[in-house]
Amino acid sequence: EAGVAQSPRYKIIEKRQSVAFWCNPISGHATLYWYQQILGQGPKLLIQFQNNGVVDDSQLPKDRFSAERLKGVDSTLKIQPAKLEDSAVYLCASSLRTSGRSTDTQYFGPGTRLTVL
Amino acid sequence: TQLLEQSPQFLSIQEGENLTVYCNSSSVFSSLQWYRQEPGEGPVLLVTVVTGGEVKKLKRLTFQFGDARKDSSLHITAAQTGDTGLYLCAGANHAGNNRKLIWGLGTSLAVNP
Repeated sequence: EAGVAQSPRYKIIEKRQSVAFWCNPISGHATLYWYQQILGQGPKLLIQFQNNGVVDDSQLPKDRFSAERLKGVDSTLKIQPAKLEDSAVYLCASSLRTSGRSTDTQYFGPGTRLTVL
Repeated sequence: TQLLEQSPQFLSIQEGENLTVYCNSSSVFSSLQWYRQEPGEGPVLLVTVVTGGEVKKLKRLTFQFGDARKDSSLHITAAQTGDTGLYLCAGANHAGNNRKLIWGLGTSLAVNP
């Protein structure tokens, strides 16, 4: 079974530039997550999709960040314009989203390391 | 607001030593997960604990969920260099439709040869 794919793996940009990240979740997974992870810290949820609908974007800085998941499969996360404090690893994860009381397992991609200069 | 505190934040030990890391909250969780993240990779799920007082073992790793489901611990016996990584706990509440995970900040473990 193929895992969660992300690209690019690394990106270096200057502040005020734009950048986009791409994620392809595990086939059949209905839920997709974008996280921001500062070096050495836990992930911070930016946005959660259920199929192509947004479930939670409460921590997404909407003045500069946007995300979409057209057709309920692939997703892109965009930052425009980037700030120095956006330097982080951006992780994409997906889960099957089964019903019932069990906690879904989130499967993470390798992440995109963004450096803003 | 639910928070998960992990301790210690950093831990550096020699191969063969034992260690315990903690995940604490003032809130009750329906379940709690432990993940390990290696450099340059995403977190990988190690275990999910659901029942208060539950103990799960994964080879040299022992996970315990507190009786009140507010805290958890991870004990590693005879640590190996391959155990090096960031250990993250994440709690979930099953009430409602959105089971968002609440993440701790992690314990960064270095096992030296």
